[in-house]
Amino acid sequence: AQSVTQLDSQVPVFEEAPVELRCNYSSSVSVYLFWYVQYPNQGLQLLLKYLSGSTLVESINGFEAEFNKSQTSFHLRKPSVHISDTAEYFCAVSESQGGSEKLVFGKGTKLTVNP
Amino acid sequence: DAGVTQSPTHLIKTRGQQVTLRCSPKSGHDTVSWYQQALGQGPQFIFQYYEEEERQRGNFPDRFSGHQFPNYSSELNVNALLLGDSALYLCASSSLGGGGTGYLLDNQPQHFGDGTRLSIL
Repeated sequence: AQSVTQLDSQVPVFEEAPVELRCNYSSSVSVYLFWYVQYPNQGLQLLLKYLSGSTLVESINGFEAEFNKSQTSFHLRKPSVHISDTAEYFCAVSESQGGSEKLVFGKGTKLTVNP
Repeated sequence: DAGVTQSPTHLIKTRGQQVTLRCSPKSGHDTVSWYQQALGQGPQFIFQYYEEEERQRGNFPDRFSGHQFPNYSSELNVNALLLGDSALYLCASSSLGGGGTGYLLDNQPQHFGDGTRLSIL
């Protein structure tokens, strides 16, 4: 079974500072990796995904993540955060079984951006 | 185009009771997955339904059961509620009818609803 480890449960940063949210996964097969964001009292929204190809993937709101197979990592970065980025971020890996897939999530990292 | 809708948004039950949560998938989707998100935790996979059958199940007891209807909507039932069942229950829909992985056909692997917050007293 695959697993995801998010090393930091909480990350406080100041507005306009850079941030990195760390994610490591365990898998012996090809993986699809995702970052989801959850705002208070809402469901999960896909932020970005790695399926294949370029190891650097970007979102429309300035986040990027780099797939590193040798280090089994998929860290999320943003060079300059905004107050509105305050949310909980979940790293996930897909796991296929019998033709269906499920998502295996980490425990989440709560990002708090302070003015 | 409506996304994934879940009802009710909040629910309060007492130990030992039974509860039914409902989910309508995004238009065009045929597969529904349910996740439990306890406070301070990431979502955990409960089970997935396709063609009205359970395709895959996570590590949850038989007290958790589900159903999918011909219109692809789904219900999650939990019997003999325990305090530990208090959580946000998330429904996600995807398109697996072609047998392949949904995210190769869509821009998202699974579309999530806003969840049902279940509190057990």
